Amino acid sequence: KNQVEQSPQSLIILEGKNCTLQCNYTVSPFSNLRWYKQDTGRGPVSLTIMTFSENTKSNGRYTATLDADTKQSSLHITASQLSDSASYICVVSANTGGFKTIFGAGTRLFVKA
Amino acid sequence: EAGVTQSPTHLIKTRGQQATLRCSPISGHTSVYWYQQALGLGLQFLLWYDEGEERNRGNFPPRFSGRQFPNYSSELNVNALELEDSALYLCASSLAGTGAHNEQFFGPGTRLTVL
Repeated sequence: KNQVEQSPQSLIILEGKNCTLQCNYTVSPFSNLRWYKQDTGRGPVSLTIMTFSENTKSNGRYTATLDADTKQSSLHITASQLSDSASYICVVSANTGGFKTIFGAGTRLFVKA
Repeated sequence: EAGVTQSPTHLIKTRGQQATLRCSPISGHTSVYWYQQALGLGLQFLLWYDEGEERNRGNFPPRFSGRQFPNYSSELNVNALELEDSALYLCASSLAGTGAHNEQFFGPGTRLTVL
């Protein structure tokens, strides 16, 4: 069964600290993995996208890693800011020739001053 | 370049009524996707349209339907509204091709409240 599981479900950190969010998946055959940031009540915004051959991708203070062998990805946020408070969604697509994109439930990050 | 737009921003209906939500994709995108996101939950895939045709639908009852127009804009119709239909409805668009390969760009969503 194709699944995307994210952990932790929620996380509270202090402004300026680093954090790492996890994503494990069983989607097959793997095509690509994306991390989205979703502010409350808004649409998700893409942070990174990685294919099978990429094991790291950065976007400013956001760095995503991918281990296709263990089917794990992480999103590392450096020097967190209050504006980082949002839900972070891991999305994995399968290469089936048809639509198969599985969304994780997201990790809710709260950054406190 | 304009992003994905959705209207209305908010919609309030009562049980049994019908709701129509609209989406305009990014210029050049031919695929449109609809998702439902209930409060505090993850996105649930509803429908995928490409080149005017329904390509795939999620595990939702037939009262959720839609269409894509020749200009690639799309509308989602929800008939016989139920309280559980209250959610944020998100539209996304992507370039042509299989949905799995092309990055989806999301609109701001329509908040549907069913009373």
